[in-house]
Amino acid sequence: DIQMTQSPSSLSASLGERVSLTCRASQEISGYLSWLQQKPDGTIKRLIYAASTLDSGVPKRFSGSRSGSDYSLTISSLESEDFADYYCLQYASYPWTFGGGTKLEIK
Amino acid sequence: QVQLQQSGAELARPGASVKLSCKASGYTFTSYWMQWVKQRPGQGLEWIGAIYPGDGDTRYTQKFKGKATLTADKSSSTAYMQLSSLASEDSAVYYCARGAGTDYWGQGTTLTVSS
Repeated sequence: DIQMTQSPSSLSASLGERVSLTCRASQEISGYLSWLQQKPDGTIKRLIYAASTLDSGVPKRFSGSRSGSDYSLTISSLESEDFADYYCLQYASYPWTFGGGTKLEIK
Repeated sequence: QVQLQQSGAELARPGASVKLSCKASGYTFTSYWMQWVKQRPGQGLEWIGAIYPGDGDTRYTQKFKGKATLTADKSSSTAYMQLSSLASEDSAVYYCARGAGTDYWGQGTTLTVSS
């Protein structure tokens, strides 16, 4: 199975700050990676797919990138609604696997 | 618009089985894989498996083979997941999500296993 190592597991940041989260894939996933946001009420929303394609309606302060086996989600300027849990998901091959998650909290 | 409406919260006894549902609307149900995901309280997301309603093809992660059974009813555009031999560790929120990369998610169904 492909392991997705997500870091950091938690992050405390201020409004307006730029933050980046990373997932490292244990095997080649060829960009088949999504970033998901989960709000405290459990609602899950996809933000990015194919490593760097922004979903419709997602604010442009979110971006995704790839460097080798490392995949990153960057939020350019944090807003209050961005404080949530974030997960990466590889869908290159079954079984799909998630990163362990990042809890983004307000400093 | 695409919607995935999941069934309500369940309370089940240890050893019992339960069948959760995910009713799809706003798209061609038979053309997209449906994923199922588990989340234990305070934990991360865990992929269970997927079904392609068009032909009933299924995929499971090894851990859930024998635990979860995925089916789909094309006539009602509803996907189902049956969980058997329930134990406390099956208490979780279960989500369905559409397609590759999971572009739409259901609201989740809370399953509590308790005597």
